[in-house]
Amino acid sequence: AQSVTQPDIHITVSEGASLELRCNYSYGATPYLFWYVQSPGQGLQLLLKYFSGDTLVQGIKGFEAEFKRSQSSFNLRKPSVHWSDAAEYFCAVGALTGGGNKLTFGTGTQLKVEL
Amino acid sequence: GAVVSQHPSWVICKSGTSVKIECRSLDFQATTMFWYRQFPKQSLMLMATSNEGSKATYEQGVEKDKFLINHASLTLSTLTVTSAHPEDSSFYICSARDPYTSGGNEQFFGPGTRLTVL
Repeated sequence: AQSVTQPDIHITVSEGASLELRCNYSYGATPYLFWYVQSPGQGLQLLLKYFSGDTLVQGIKGFEAEFKRSQSSFNLRKPSVHWSDAAEYFCAVGALTGGGNKLTFGTGTQLKVEL
Repeated sequence: GAVVSQHPSWVICKSGTSVKIECRSLDFQATTMFWYRQFPKQSLMLMATSNEGSKATYEQGVEKDKFLINHASLTLSTLTVTSAHPEDSSFYICSARDPYTSGGNEQFFGPGTRLTVL
């Protein structure tokens, strides 16, 4: 079975500073990897995804993530954080099962942005 | 494209009553839909996988008689919380898989339904 670890429960950064959110996964085959963002009381918004190909993936809102197979990681980065980026961030790994993919989510990282 | 809606967005009910939550794929046909539950400050936990025209597959520990799932059409899945109790209060999120997008490997999420049981 697949699993996802997000080691950082809370992260605080200053506006304009760079950001890196960590994600490690466990899966026996090539994973499908996702990063989602969730604002309070809202659903999930997809930031970016990795299926295959270029290991550096560009997403929306200036986010990017790099798939590193050797480290089983898919860390999310942003060079300059905006106050509106404050939210909960979830990494997820997808596994193909009979009837469709199942997603397993990490526990999430709460991002706080200091002005 | 690939929009998923949920209705209602929030619901308050009395203990012992049943509540139905709808999940619709608005611009695509979803052969598979998923139901998740999210407790405050926690991650999403998959409750069940719903396949159109067949019985849902429940995750271990999820009571199928408590959480009834029906996927009667390619654009609609419903989750009914039967005889709801305060411990069922949670944020319920559905997602839908579009078999023609990203090789069917991506799920599109609804905005969630906040259930409060008094």
